[in-house]
Amino acid sequence: EVQLVQSRAEVKKPGESLKISCEGSGYNFTSYWIGWVRQMPGKGLQLMGIIYPGDSDTRYSPSFQGQVTISADKSISTAYLQWRSLKASDTGIYYCARLTPPTGGDYWGQGTLVTVSS
Amino acid sequence: SYDLSQPSSVSVSPGQTASITCSGDKLGDKYAFWYQQKSGQSPVLVIYKDTKRPSGIPERFSGSNSGNTATLTISGTQAMDEADYYCQVWDSSVVFGGGTKLTVL
Repeated sequence: EVQLVQSRAEVKKPGESLKISCEGSGYNFTSYWIGWVRQMPGKGLQLMGIIYPGDSDTRYSPSFQGQVTISADKSISTAYLQWRSLKASDTGIYYCARLTPPTGGDYWGQGTLVTVSS
Repeated sequence: SYDLSQPSSVSVSPGQTASITCSGDKLGDKYAFWYQQKSGQSPVLVIYKDTKRPSGIPERFSGSNSGNTATLTISGTQAMDEADYYCQVWDSSVVFGGGTKLTVL
């Protein structure tokens, strides 16, 4: 069974750093793109970027370039989303999804709620 | 960057047909994907490659894509179909539409 399991909810202060994770299982992790999708409170889905764990090819959406870092460790089938300095506007739910051109986002993680507040 | 436009809301009576549109430049030249997101849940893929339904998605969900518009159609809409719906395409990367809130009343 294909699963994407994300790390737990986080509460952080502005200026702090954070790294959240997404562990894949039940499929060949290196052969499918993983995307990170932000959903701010009451808003729609925004793609932040995608990574191909097989060769770590990473593409960022323009709005998120330089704001976050996406990485993957294929040895443990895990993708990461990282911030160096959080802002209150980073508050939201972050989803990882297995994204493949032929089939789209066929599997999604349960989401990680990130709350940034002083 | 590539933009996709969706109506912010659509209302339908139970048992009727709901149509949700997604517009983009020459969208018919790309494959469209549709996701359903119920309140408090992760998105679920309901249509891929314009017209195909993943395993487990009811037959009342169907899709089409031509010209500048892709359409998600829900026939015999049920109360359980009330959700937000997002279209998506690949254009060098992944692009989502703004989402449509479907209300069944």
